[in-house]
Amino acid sequence: DAGVTQSPTHLIKTRGQHVTLRCSPISGHKSVSWYQQVLGQGPQFIFQYYEKEERGRGNFPDRFSARQFPNYSSELNVNALLLGDSALYLCASSLPSGGRDTQYFGPGTRLTVL
Amino acid sequence: DQQVKQNSPSLSVQEGRISILNCDYTNSMFDYFLWYKKYPAEGPTFLISISSIKDKNEDGRFTVFLNKSAKHLSLHIVPSQPGDSAVYFCAASGSSGTYKYIFGTGTRLKVLA
Repeated sequence: DAGVTQSPTHLIKTRGQHVTLRCSPISGHKSVSWYQQVLGQGPQFIFQYYEKEERGRGNFPDRFSARQFPNYSSELNVNALLLGDSALYLCASSLPSGGRDTQYFGPGTRLTVL
Repeated sequence: DQQVKQNSPSLSVQEGRISILNCDYTNSMFDYFLWYKKYPAEGPTFLISISSIKDKNEDGRFTVFLNKSAKHLSLHIVPSQPGDSAVYFCAASGSSGTYKYIFGTGTRLKVLA
């Protein structure tokens, strides 16, 4: 079974540019969450989407936005990139089943902002 | 404010011995806890979880213990193998509706052959 897939694997952008990261969840999973991991830290929650609706948002500026499509795939958009946006961006999918659902992570997209 | 803390940045253990990784949390609303393992250039891989209604959960070589009164959980790996060498993250979530995970900063485990 295919796990969570993310594209691209690596990305280099310059300050002020815009970036779109993509995620395909595990088949059958309807919820997608996005996390940012900077070096030396644990992943930090950015967004969670379920059935195309935003269920939660972390403490990130409005430059960060996301959406979920009818096939449950998702995009994370970041506008006006700053050097501090350089990080590993992780996507995780989960069922959910109404109880405690485990989130399964993709390999991540490494974003470097120059 | 770090709600989930892993105070040991690194740990070295001999192959075959027990590895014990620790995690503390401050938010009493957390009711679900997980451990993930992460290799370089890969995403976190789910290892084991525990609900707050339990104090222990086992899966093969991995056991997670939860002490709610101390707001402390630990991951035991027995016996440790060289392939267990990775960064281990604990994560917590509460019944906030979003089920977002709050992660610790990770502990790098090195299992020596």
